[in-house]
Amino acid sequence: KNQVEQSPQSLIILEGKNCTLQCNYTVSPFSNLRWYKQDTGRGPVSLTIMTFSENTKSNGRYTATLDADTKQSSLHITASQLSDSASYICVVSEQAAGNKLTFGGGTRVLVKP
Amino acid sequence: DGGITQSPKYLFRKEGQNVTLSCEQNLNHDAMYWYRQDPGQGLRLIYYSQIVNDFQKGDIAEGYSVSREKKESFPLTVTSAQKNPTAFYLCASKGQGVAYGYTFGSGTRLTVV
Repeated sequence: KNQVEQSPQSLIILEGKNCTLQCNYTVSPFSNLRWYKQDTGRGPVSLTIMTFSENTKSNGRYTATLDADTKQSSLHITASQLSDSASYICVVSEQAAGNKLTFGGGTRVLVKP
Repeated sequence: DGGITQSPKYLFRKEGQNVTLSCEQNLNHDAMYWYRQDPGQGLRLIYYSQIVNDFQKGDIAEGYSVSREKKESFPLTVTSAQKNPTAFYLCASKGQGVAYGYTFGSGTRLTVV
């Protein structure tokens, strides 16, 4: 069964500090991996999308990495801001199968001043 | 301003009632999706439609129904057969091609009273 596991489940960091979120997946055949940011009570917003051949992609202070061999991805947040408080969701897409998405349970990040 | 709109934001349902959640997009996307989000869990696919007048069941379709009479609209009906309907419902749409991201609506929170 295809799965996407994220860790930690939640974390608290001080404003200005960096943090890294992990995503491990078993989805196969792999098509692409996306990271989304979801504010409470809102829909997810795309941060990055990476295909098999890409191993890093940045979007401002967010940097995602992908190791397709070990089926691991990480999302690094640099110089965190209070507005970074949200859930971060890792989503993996299958090749064909209608590009079916498998969602991780998310990591809830709380940035404190 | 292109986007995807869900309404209402909050919805209360009495036992035994059917309710319909609205999802409208003006992105000219062919594919539309309905997901259910429960606390601490990944999004789960209820129904999806890749073209007008056609839709397929997702992983948890029981107790739900949809229609796709227009490209822009993909309403979801939560029927009385859905035994545990209290959840956050997200609608999404997607353009053609692997590189296109999914655009999510802002969600509808449904509560059974």
